[in-house]
Amino acid sequence: AQSVTQLGSHVSVSEGALVLLRCNYSSSVPPYLFWYVQYPNQGLQLLLKYTSAATLVKGINGFEAEFKKSETSFHLTKPSAHMSDAAEYFCAVSDGNTGNQFYFGTGTSLTVIP
Amino acid sequence: DGGITQSPKYLFRKEGQNVTLSCEQNLNHDAMYWYRQDPGQGLRLIYYSQIVNDFQKGDIAEGYSVSREKKESFPLTVTSAQKNPTAFYLCASSIRRRGIYEQYFGPGTRLTVT
Repeated sequence: AQSVTQLGSHVSVSEGALVLLRCNYSSSVPPYLFWYVQYPNQGLQLLLKYTSAATLVKGINGFEAEFKKSETSFHLTKPSAHMSDAAEYFCAVSDGNTGNQFYFGTGTSLTVIP
Repeated sequence: DGGITQSPKYLFRKEGQNVTLSCEQNLNHDAMYWYRQDPGQGLRLIYYSQIVNDFQKGDIAEGYSVSREKKESFPLTVTSAQKNPTAFYLCASSIRRRGIYEQYFGPGTRLTVT
């Protein structure tokens, strides 16, 4: 079975500071991993995805994530936070075999302090 | 523009009434999904459909029903049997690109039942 755990339901950073959102996965097969962002009362937007092509994945809006198999982690980072980054972030995993079912973490709410 | 539309954005119903949430996609995706989102609980899968005229229960299907008569449409009915229907409902679809399934989301419908 696949699952993801997001450590920290709320994260606050100052504008310009490093953003680090944590995600650990559990998968019996090589996983496909995703990060999504959700703004209030909107759907989820794909930020980036890990497909095994490269362990460091770059996404939109300056975000990137590194796949670390030894740590079963896929943490999301951004060097310098902007006010517009304030949102809810979800980590997700899909089954590497069938790939068509997705399992989401409980989300991390990011607050950016001016 | 291709995308997923959900209507209406906000929906209000009296307790005991069935209500149907619309989801339409023009992305030509085979698979479609319904999720329920509650604060602090992430996304929970209600139903999914991989092809027309076929669908499977997700983790919290009780009190919900779906149909998939057309590839583009996957309506969700929230029945009076659903004990706590007030939530944000998200529809999604997925497609396989370069060996990996990617999931895309609609803007959501916020249902309030009083």
